[in-house]
Amino acid sequence: DIVMTQSPDSLAVSLGERATINCKSSQSILYSSNNKNYLAWYQQKPGQPPKLLIYWASTRASGVPDRFSGSGSGTDFTLTISSLQAEDVAVYYCQQYYSTHYSFGQGTKLEFK
Amino acid sequence: EVQLVESGGDLVQPGRSLRLSCAASGFTFDDYAMHWVRQAPGKGLEWVSGINWNNSSTRYADSVKGRFTISRDNARNSLYLQMNSLRLEDTAFYFCAKGSTISETYNWFDPWGQGTLVTVSP
Repeated sequence: DIVMTQSPDSLAVSLGERATINCKSSQSILYSSNNKNYLAWYQQKPGQPPKLLIYWASTRASGVPDRFSGSGSGTDFTLTISSLQAEDVAVYYCQQYYSTHYSFGQGTKLEFK
Repeated sequence: EVQLVESGGDLVQPGRSLRLSCAASGFTFDDYAMHWVRQAPGKGLEWVSGINWNNSSTRYADSVKGRFTISRDNARNSLYLQMNSLRLEDTAFYFCAKGSTISETYNWFDPWGQGTLVTVSP
């Protein structure tokens, strides 16, 4: 099974500053036949279900603000929030969908500094 | 608007059974795979099971294989999870989620329902 490991476990960032969350997969999730990385990012606020932010490692889901961006390839990926807003305080998860035994990272809790 | 509404969560004893349901609306249900994902209180996300558009292909996490059965009724726009031989470690919020393709493979999940709580306790 593919293990997804996020870093850090928690992160405190000031309003308006950049937040960076990392996600590493135990094996490559880049499909060579289509050159796509099978990675998604989700945001989960307290008491709410997860919300899709990014798929194919870098494609923003519909309605997601452009301050959210995804990057990376192979085994190393990053979610960046360019300018932290109040509503971005949440737990963020990465997910691989390369393997049919889907797996998530352990989550990164993003807080205000 | 796409909506997924789970129901059926309850407090049950170890070894007993429970059936969860998920009512879907706002999209063509049989155009998409569907999944169950769970989250123990205060913990992370764990994919449980997925089913393709027409019930012909299903997949399970190793932790539930042989105990849980996923199914769907396209005429009723509904997804189900039959949970047998429940264990303490099955305690979690169970979310249903719409897959991104017709197959249960290679899916991201969008959107998710609000979840239903299953508590397994003596």
